[in-house]
This record gives sequence, C-alpha cells and structure tokens, in this order.
Amino acid sequence: GAVVSQHPSRVICKSGTSVKIECRSLDFQATTMFWYRQFPKKSLMLMATSNEGSKATYEQGVEKDKFLINHASLTLSTLTVTSAHPEDSSFYICSTCRQGWSTEAFFGQGTRLTVV
Amino acid sequence: DAKTTQPNSMESNEEEPVHLPCNHSTISGTDYIHWYRQLPSQGPEYVIHGLTSNVNNRMASLAIAEDRKSSTLILHRATLRDAAVYYCILRDSGGAQKLVFGQGTRLTINP
Repeated sequence: GAVVSQHPSRVICKSGTSVKIECRSLDFQATTMFWYRQFPKKSLMLMATSNEGSKATYEQGVEKDKFLINHASLTLSTLTVTSAHPEDSSFYICSTCRQGWSTEAFFGQGTRLTVV
Repeated sequence: DAKTTQPNSMESNEEEPVHLPCNHSTISGTDYIHWYRQLPSQGPEYVIHGLTSNVNNRMASLAIAEDRKSSTLILHRATLRDAAVYYCILRDSGGAQKLVFGQGTRLTINP
C-alpha cells in the first residue's frame, strides 16, 4: 500500500486564490519531507525541504512567501500556493524517507494544479 | 549535488532485456546510486539502489562499475508496464537526504 498520501490529486482554482496541498506519511514518522514541482515533459524540480517543527529550507529561486510550507507534525506537511496565477499551474509532488541517507524515498501520487 | 548523465530516450521490445546506462563521474565515496521511475501523471516510484556491489530485487538489477563512475539498470524482461521515465540519482550524502532529479531516460516498450 501507499506509504505517502498526497491530497488532492487534482485541483482547479481561480487566479488570486490560495490552494493547500497535503502530504501525509502513513508508515513512519517523517521529520523531513520534500516538495517538488514538475512541468509537462520536464523533470522534477526540488522546491523546498520541509522540516518538522522548524522553518522549511527553500531552493534557490523559489519564493517562500509564494509557496508556504508547514510541517507541524511528524506525519503531515502542507504546501500552500498563495495568490495562485496561471503560471503556477503544475504537477506538485511530495516525498519523504526514513532516517538515513541510504534508504529509499517514497513519493506521493502528485497534485495536478490548474489555475484559471 | 553530484550530477548524472543519462540518454534522453531508449526503446526496446516487450519481453526483451533492457539496459539503462547512467554516468556519474563525479560521484563521491559515500554517495548511493538510486534509481526511480515515473509513469505518466504519477509520482516517482523507487526501483533500486546500491553503493558498490551489484544489487538485485524483484523489479530490476543494478550493475555498478568498479570505479563507481557509471551504473546500469537492468530490466530482465520488459513489459509494456515498464514504459516510464527512469531517473538515476546520487543521494546527497551531506546530510540533507534530498534527491535532485536529472532529465532521466524515457523508455518506450514496443509490443
């Protein structure tokens, strides 16, 4: 069964509104979660690293005020796209892994965001 | 982050073996080699990973060169469901554990 559950799988919103995407770790406590975005026919681009109980670490060029990340518990991280615009339309994917960098990563099923 | 280089695309026939190459000449001694695949409109899925020795699991085999500067993912008997984008990634050994994706190889399987 799924180790990481991401919700919603797809969402359509109007320009200017905010959208929240949830990522849950079902099988273990996740102190760290990763958020990616993916444009059509392109690879995944890491946006930020979400750390439980502390501020997220954003990759260069990613606006932290635009993409709000909250990791309030060991099983839930949320990504909120604020004041969404059509150019924010993308496929957003979360990921986590057990402690230790030799372990495999688990990915959510992704969220298709369309801003109209 | 260490970089990997993969062919943009490959094609194979159903029920034949597939060898997907990956070059990682700047790999460090503690970097693990990970492979993931992504089917259309889905999140990536773990395939296999290794450090120095060749690895086998129910999905695939991973052959790692002796100098660790390259590796090959082997699908022993491809099926149509193996059509996906395959990513070879070096796991960040600096403690952040993040996975940085390259462009991957789009594998097409012909019936």
